[in-house]
Amino acid sequence: EAGVTQFPSHSVIEKGQTVTLRCDPISGHDNLYWYRRVMGKEIKFLLHFVKESKQDESGMPNNRFLAERTGGTYSTLKVQPAELEDSGVYFCASSLLREGNSPLHFGNGTRLTVT
Amino acid sequence: ILNVEQSPQSLHVQEGDSTNFTCSFPSSNFYALHWYRWETAKSPEALFVMTLNGDEKKKGRISATLNTKEGYSYLYIKGSQPEDSATYLCAFKGGSARQLTFGSGTQLTVLP
Repeated sequence: EAGVTQFPSHSVIEKGQTVTLRCDPISGHDNLYWYRRVMGKEIKFLLHFVKESKQDESGMPNNRFLAERTGGTYSTLKVQPAELEDSGVYFCASSLLREGNSPLHFGNGTRLTVT
Repeated sequence: ILNVEQSPQSLHVQEGDSTNFTCSFPSSNFYALHWYRWETAKSPEALFVMTLNGDEKKKGRISATLNTKEGYSYLYIKGSQPEDSATYLCAFKGGSARQLTFGSGTQLTVLP
């Protein structure tokens, strides 16, 4: 079974630019999550999709972040315009059941650097 | 805000030593506790999902216990090997939170 894949693996952009991250979950996993790790701190939740619906977006830091999952397959996370504090590693994860009931399968992450 | 604390923050052991670390979480309204292993440049990999007080899980030389009443879980590694070097993360779901809250991790280095 193919794992969770994320693209790109690294992105370096200037403050004010736009970046779009992509996540392809494991096939058949309805639950898709975005997490972020900033400056070596703990991994923090951003949002949760069930199929194409946003189930919980309480972790999204502000309206510069927009996540979509059209068709309930892959997801994108767009940051526009990027700020310096957005730098970090953005992880996508998917699970068969809702988190808590089954393990998360993580992608390798996208390391975003905003200069 | 939920507090999930892991200790120690980092740990160096010699190959062959056994070791353990702790994850502390709120003891009320427990739902689930996850353990993940995260090697550098790779993705976090699930080790255990624990849901019942008194749960004990084992995977090879790694095992975990869970005490929901007092709010802690231990992860044990028996006979550590250099390939066990990684950051071990715990994540808690409970209370009114709808998502997992991660600890900062314990970074284990096993010296050959």
